[in-house]
Amino acid sequence: DTGVSQDPRHKITKRGQNVTFRCDPISEHNRLYWYRQTLGQGPEFLTYFQNEAQLEKSRLLSDRFSAERPKGSFSTLEIQRTEQGDSAMYLCASSTSVGAVTEAFFGQGTRLTVV
Amino acid sequence: AQSVTQPDIHITVSEGASLELRCNYSYGATPYLFWYVQSPGQGLQLLLKYFSGDTLVQGIKGFEAEFKRSQSSFNLRKPSVHWSDAAEYFCAVGGSYIPTFGRGTSLIVHP
Repeated sequence: DTGVSQDPRHKITKRGQNVTFRCDPISEHNRLYWYRQTLGQGPEFLTYFQNEAQLEKSRLLSDRFSAERPKGSFSTLEIQRTEQGDSAMYLCASSTSVGAVTEAFFGQGTRLTVV
Repeated sequence: AQSVTQPDIHITVSEGASLELRCNYSYGATPYLFWYVQSPGQGLQLLLKYFSGDTLVQGIKGFEAEFKRSQSSFNLRKPSVHWSDAAEYFCAVGGSYIPTFGRGTSLIVHP
């Protein structure tokens, strides 16, 4: 297993454009998380999936953001009409649901720059 | 609601010196606690975790952390810091299914 994989690693886009990021979790993990991290801050929770069901979304997640996990495996995060404030590192993590809580394993992130 | 406070934004130590990074949490029940490390431009790597049992937990890279319920703390320690330990360190609490992170402490190591 190669761990959590995110693509692309870097994305530069013009303001107003749409972008989509992909996350491939560890294969046996049924929980998947998206976080956003800005410079000098810790990861902020965006949304959480258990299998294909999106069970929780942060109030940070505006209606320009949408996430999917159609078959309970990989996930995509789309940002429509990007704004400069969307510039951040977008981190994906996965974990199992065996036991009450297990640790989340993180990908290397996608760094988004909106110009 | 769960939350984490890391009161130190930056910590500077000399190589070979001991290290303690502070973490205080807020959670209504038994917390699940984590320390992660992040090198520049990279994702987060788990150093150690506490779920239950022995309150002193050992992690990778020579790190340890002690859970103190009375102080709502989970401080990270290392007896002798190496230059390669310079990185950002994040404490997280996960009583629900969703880990909540502190803002991080940046560790600077002087030769």
